[in-house]
Amino acid sequence: EPEVTQTPSHQVTQMGQEVILRCVPISNHLYFYWYRQILGQKVEFLVSFYNNEISEKSEIFDDQFSVERPDGSNFTLKIRSTKLEDSAMYFCASSGNTDTQYFGPGTRLTVL
Amino acid sequence: DQQVKQNSPSLSVQEGRISILNCDYTNSMFDYFLWYKKYPAEGPTFLISISSIKDKNEDGRFTVFLNKSAKHLSLHIVPSQPGDSAVYFCAASGGGNKLTFGTGTQLKVEL
Repeated sequence: EPEVTQTPSHQVTQMGQEVILRCVPISNHLYFYWYRQILGQKVEFLVSFYNNEISEKSEIFDDQFSVERPDGSNFTLKIRSTKLEDSAMYFCASSGNTDTQYFGPGTRLTVL
Repeated sequence: DQQVKQNSPSLSVQEGRISILNCDYTNSMFDYFLWYKKYPAEGPTFLISISSIKDKNEDGRFTVFLNKSAKHLSLHIVPSQPGDSAVYFCAASGGGNKLTFGTGTQLKVEL
């Protein structure tokens, strides 16, 4: 069964450093998303991406964040200058239409 | 932002019995609802969904009920199995494609 994959599973970085989280969505899906879950809190929407552009973003998704689909298979989330409060699980998701989203296993980002 | 609420943080059920997980929402623009199951250190796994034009959707042991007038949905699992023990999230979308999640209910199915 097709699935969303994410790398790395755990990323440790120093505050102020740039990180890139990578995702391979399900191959025939057209809509791509990033969510995050801070420890003990709910899963929060960050951004959605369709047709090579951002279709919606949350207040969390400020200028420090960017997304890219550099080729036909990868979907990346970049955080330019990480802060302590960026420590969270980051989940990529994809969908074939605007309904059911399928999630990857997540990347645990730890900012020291 | 409490647009989707799951008021029970935990639920304990005996194996073979019915598990009922509840979810309330406040945004009347929501028109699609989903349930996800999540194990620790894993991503949410899609279980079942329902569109606002329906009031019930069934898939094997899982049934989701939607009461639009009460802005309430529930997930029934019958019979419950030990492997069902996980955190269950309800999520909603409407007028766009972002999902708004509830806080989750930890289900424990005991032998």
